Amino acid sequence: EPEVTQTPSHQVTQMGQEVILRCVPISNHLYFYWYRQILGQKVEFLVSFYNNEISEKSEIFDDQFSVERPDGSNFTLKIRSTKLEDSAMYFCASANEGLRNEQFFGPGTRLTVL
Amino acid sequence: DQQVKQNSPSLSVQEGRISILNCDYTNSMFDYFLWYKKYPAEGPTFLISISSIKDKNEDGRFTVFLNKSAKHLSLHIVPSQPGDSAVYFCAASEGYGNKLVFGAGTILRVKS
Repeated sequence: EPEVTQTPSHQVTQMGQEVILRCVPISNHLYFYWYRQILGQKVEFLVSFYNNEISEKSEIFDDQFSVERPDGSNFTLKIRSTKLEDSAMYFCASANEGLRNEQFFGPGTRLTVL
Repeated sequence: DQQVKQNSPSLSVQEGRISILNCDYTNSMFDYFLWYKKYPAEGPTFLISISSIKDKNEDGRFTVFLNKSAKHLSLHIVPSQPGDSAVYFCAASEGYGNKLVFGAGTILRVKS
């Protein structure tokens, strides 16, 4: 069964450093998303991407964040200058046309900012 | 942001009995509602969804009921199995393909 994959599973970085989180969505999917879950809090939306552009972003997704789909298969989230409060589980998701409107989530990348 | 609320942090049920998980929402523009299951160290896994034009959707042991006038939905699992023990998230979206807004989750424990 096709699945969304994410690398790395755990990333530790120093405050102020840049990180790139990588995702490989399901191959025929058209919609792509990043969410995050800070420990003990809700899963919260960051950004959605469709037709090679951002379709929506949350107020969390400020100028420090960017997304790319560089080669038609990978979907990346870059944080330019990490802050302590960026420590969270980051989930990539993808979706396709269909009746159920479900988004398929990857296993997540745990980002720890020291 | 409290647009989607799951007021029960946890639920404990005996194996074979029914599990009922509840969810309330405030945004009347939501038109898709989904339930996800999540195990520790894994991403959310889609279970079942319902659009606002329906009031019930069933898939095997899982049934979702939607009461639009009360802005309430519930997930019924019958019969409950120990493998169902996980965190269950209710989520909603405005329009197809748009962002999901999640509830805080309910931890379900099914005792054998």
